Amino acid sequence: AQSVTQLDSHVSVSEGTPVLLRCNYSSSYSPSLFWYVQHPNKGLQLLLKYTSAATLVKGINGFEAEFKKSETSFHLTKPSAHMSDAAEYFCVVTSNQAGTALIFGKGTTLSVSS
Amino acid sequence: NAGVTQTPKFQVLKTGQSMTLQCAQDMNHNSMYWYRQDPGMGLRLIYYSASEGTTDKGEVPNGYNVSRLNKREFSLRLESAAPSQTSVYFCASSEFNSGSQETQYFGPGTRLLVL
Repeated sequence: AQSVTQLDSHVSVSEGTPVLLRCNYSSSYSPSLFWYVQHPNKGLQLLLKYTSAATLVKGINGFEAEFKKSETSFHLTKPSAHMSDAAEYFCVVTSNQAGTALIFGKGTTLSVSS
Repeated sequence: NAGVTQTPKFQVLKTGQSMTLQCAQDMNHNSMYWYRQDPGMGLRLIYYSASEGTTDKGEVPNGYNVSRLNKREFSLRLESAAPSQTSVYFCASSEFNSGSQETQYFGPGTRLLVL
């Protein structure tokens, strides 16, 4: 079975400072992991995904995430926050077994102040 | 290439009314999904269709039915709406329903209010 826990429901940063959104996962099989972003009143957009290749994954808009099997973590980072990064972020896990669905975390709301 | 489209964007229903949410994708994807999003709950899978002609229950299927009309279209039906079904509904599609190829593309959502 798969599960995912986003450790913070809300993160606040100042523009230009680093962003860290934390995610831990549990999976019975080799997982695929994703980060999606949802801007207010919009659909979800894929930021990046890990599928057992490089453990450091680079995504769009300067975000990256590192898969750490020993810590069962897949934290999302960005060196310098921008006002346009304010959104809700979802960590998502699935297995490589056919027929399994995505399991979403409950989301982390990122606020960016000037 | 419109991606995933959903209709309607907004809907208000009275308890007991029925309605169908429509979803279509133009990416020739095999798999399609319906989710609901509620505050503090993330997205929860209602039903999915791994391929044309098949449908399977997700985490929260009660009160819903689905139809995979063809490869492009996947509809969600509420037979007798209840206030607990007030939510934002997202349709998504992916090339295959399998792990590493499971990048899902989402529609803009349907906001449903049941009074």
